[in-house]
Amino acid sequence: DSGVTQTPKHLITATGQRVTLRCSPRSGDLSVYWYQQSLDQGLQFLIQYYNGEERAKGNILERFSAQQFPDLHSELNLSSLELGDSALYFCASSPRRGLAGGPSYNEQFFGPGTRLTVL
Amino acid sequence: DAKTTQPTSMDCAEGRAANLPCNHSTISGNEYVYWYRQIHSQGPQYIIHGLKNNETNEMASLIITEDRKSSTLILPHATLRDTAVYYCIVKGLQGAQKLVFGQGTRLTINP
Repeated sequence: DSGVTQTPKHLITATGQRVTLRCSPRSGDLSVYWYQQSLDQGLQFLIQYYNGEERAKGNILERFSAQQFPDLHSELNLSSLELGDSALYFCASSPRRGLAGGPSYNEQFFGPGTRLTVL
Repeated sequence: DAKTTQPTSMDCAEGRAANLPCNHSTISGNEYVYWYRQIHSQGPQYIIHGLKNNETNEMASLIITEDRKSSTLILPHATLRDTAVYYCIVKGLQGAQKLVFGQGTRLTINP
């Protein structure tokens, strides 16, 4: 158990719909990352937040958005869903200081994921 | 971040040591070697990382060659639960904080 929680575990919806995925980072972690894993693309970084502010953006579609709230939980919003959005969505968090005492953002702890199926 | 090359798949007998190689010939002096694994559709799991010295923790050992152009992750007594895809990632502490996962090595532990 990484300490990162994600809800829901599974989500089945139709094309054109909008869904919200939720992530709670490990206690004390300020950074939250979102990744998408589809069969043909592998694990892809989407976006990172640090203490409520967007820090980095990856291959995130304009139909997708995210935010991090004051209590540090994060939500990933996916709208106008298409069949190709079916994937596993993982959230990760990283501690303030790494095991070696230095910066830690490469030591990311992943949640169990949300499996999204778009029909 | 330096590119890494890993074998697509490997097999290992249960109870034996599993040695997973990774080539990173373009690694620069301030880049670390990180290993993660993903057990069937679960979230990736951080295993270990190192800069130039060999490292060991409760999960594995990491051996980095003196020229730092390659490394080996060692699972000393592999169990069936170690069957997973193992990712070697080379990354510095500057720049983008995202992790870039390649195809990894699919390790199968056989009974």
